[in-house]
Amino acid sequence: NAGVMQNPRHLVRRRGQEARLRCSPMKGHSHVYWYRQLPEEGLKFMVYLQKENIIDESGMPKERFSAEFPKEGPSILRIQQVVRGDSAAYFCASDRGDTEAFFGQGTRLTVV
Amino acid sequence: AQKITQTQPGMFVQEKEAVTLDCTYDTSDPSYGLFWYKQPSSGEMIFLIYQGSYDQQNATEGRYSLNFQKARKSANLVISASQLGDSAMYFCAMRERDSNYQLIWGAGTKLIIKP
Repeated sequence: NAGVMQNPRHLVRRRGQEARLRCSPMKGHSHVYWYRQLPEEGLKFMVYLQKENIIDESGMPKERFSAEFPKEGPSILRIQQVVRGDSAAYFCASDRGDTEAFFGQGTRLTVV
Repeated sequence: AQKITQTQPGMFVQEKEAVTLDCTYDTSDPSYGLFWYKQPSSGEMIFLIYQGSYDQQNATEGRYSLNFQKARKSANLVISASQLGDSAMYFCAMRERDSNYQLIWGAGTKLIIKP
């Protein structure tokens, strides 16, 4: 049973480009959470999704950021027109709704 | 207001000694869960231990135990017989039923085990 899979592990983008981060949850998990971690800080909640539904996006910036979890395929976190301040580690977690969340290894986004 | 407070930004501990990492939390939700995660320098987030708000006994997982004091709203992580490989960032986190079960994180404690 593979764990939560995130790709890519490292992503470098120039300012103004788009970043797409992918997350495949653990088998049997229908809940996906995205978190952002700035250097030397804890994680900050961004968005909570179930299949084809955004349940809670209260932690996600209103502009440039979007997330989806389609019926088929991985969850995608999309950042348009990236800026230097978007440089961070982005973690995806999955669970069945009321158990511990299992994390992927994260995508480290660097904006140059 | 901070929901999760980890007051120790960093700790140095001698190998083989026990370590206690502090965590206090703030919630009015009667149903919640408390978690500890380890983040080594490689960056992944590793689940260590979980305590539910209704659990009567303190959680234990191998060398990890959680000292859960509900009235004081504290959930300290105890690592017995520390090892060099325990050097990492440790995060305390909480999930509340009323917050869609998102994890709310503390700022972390950097633990360094000295040989």
